[in-house]
Amino acid sequence: QKEVEQNSGPLSVPEGAIASLNCTYSDRVSQSFFWYRQYSGKSPELIMSIYSNGDKEDGRFTAQLNKASQYVSLLIRDSQPSDSATYLCAVSNSGYSTLTFGKGTMLLVSP
Amino acid sequence: GAVVSQHPSRVICKSGTSVKIECRSLDFQATTMFWYRQFPKQSLMLMATSNEGSKATYEQGVEKDKFLINHASLTLSTLTVTSAHPEDSSFYICSAREGQLEAFFGQGTRLTVV
Repeated sequence: QKEVEQNSGPLSVPEGAIASLNCTYSDRVSQSFFWYRQYSGKSPELIMSIYSNGDKEDGRFTAQLNKASQYVSLLIRDSQPSDSATYLCAVSNSGYSTLTFGKGTMLLVSP
Repeated sequence: GAVVSQHPSRVICKSGTSVKIECRSLDFQATTMFWYRQFPKQSLMLMATSNEGSKATYEQGVEKDKFLINHASLTLSTLTVTSAHPEDSSFYICSAREGQLEAFFGQGTRLTVV
């Protein structure tokens, strides 16, 4: 059973702080990793994808992957109240049909 | 990013009737499509996975005769909720993926069965 684990939160950070969201996965052969953001009542939207160990930066977002530790994280710098949402981690192996989501971490950014 | 269009965004139907939801990938070939259901304040629940031209693979506990999925082309998948009941009221979301790339989500369909 492939599992993706996330702390459900809520994670509360003040505006301007760095928010750190974490995700662990059980399938060692996982190759593709994604972070999605979901606002209440809306469908998820893709924020970042990462495929190799290390950091990948895109604007205020940085995804970090450590395959040896089976760990992927998302850092949000200069957090804004508009970043308040549920963040979903998704993991895929080499097959096309497998995309496993974690249950999501709720982030609350207070002004 | 790629665009996945899902229609309708909202639908109200009478108990016992059927509802069809369409999911289209507009600018890429969706080799795989996923259908999810989400109840208020709960996480995404995968219902089924379909590959173009093949029968869908349903998750445990999802009735394949009630939730009919068709993925007849690389750009279109449909979910038909047959003989809908009030307990089927939920937010249904599709996502589409080309190969091993990112999956993109449709806007979701809020189904209310009265």
